[in-house]
Amino acid sequence: DTGVSQDPRHKITKRGQNVTFRCDPISEHNRLYWYRQTLGQGPEFLTYFQNEAQLEKSRLLSDRFSAERPKGSFSTLEIQRTEQGDSAMYLCASSSDRRWGPQHFGDGTRLSIL
Amino acid sequence: RKEVEQDPGPFNVPEGATVAFNCTYSNSASQSFFWYRQDCRKEPKLLMSVYSSGNEDGRFTAQLNRASQYISLLIRDSKLSDSATYLCVVNPNNDMRFGAGTRLTVKP
Repeated sequence: DTGVSQDPRHKITKRGQNVTFRCDPISEHNRLYWYRQTLGQGPEFLTYFQNEAQLEKSRLLSDRFSAERPKGSFSTLEIQRTEQGDSAMYLCASSSDRRWGPQHFGDGTRLSIL
Repeated sequence: RKEVEQDPGPFNVPEGATVAFNCTYSNSASQSFFWYRQDCRKEPKLLMSVYSSGNEDGRFTAQLNRASQYISLLIRDSKLSDSATYLCVVNPNNDMRFGAGTRLTVKP
């Protein structure tokens, strides 16, 4: 399967710990996105990469959040000093270079903060 | 005002019914529009793109009214397998703005 893959699927950690998630996009897709989704809400945009360049960051992305895509392939999202409010599903999506094209999502990483 | 607004439902309909979902968006510069489907605890999956001229894919019909900043999705002859949350998605720039979703349950 050459879809978007995310790792891990689930992460449970104590408040104050750092966590890192990984996303591998569809191989021919240059654009990569991170979203956060909480129960009963649609996904909220966090950040966007075009190849290795991070072109947009949402105001939702506080200083504790950082995302990288060093070689323009996989991406990581790190949350430092996690808080209870960080509990959510973190979704990664990718799309082709065609502007305004549809995005394809991974299964997500479900983060639970104890 | 939210950027993308949807009636959260839930819509509970019998098999075979026709059901319509509406969505409004606030950013008039939005360039592309989609409907995604999301099953419980799963990732969103693209259902269909929405074109200015309207488009149909089997039992699904999507309409766009740019003047009113309004998008709709019509499902005909609904199936049990159509039960899901339907997300309206608007693309104003490089990101995508999702509505909170409309939950549909199709009952036998």
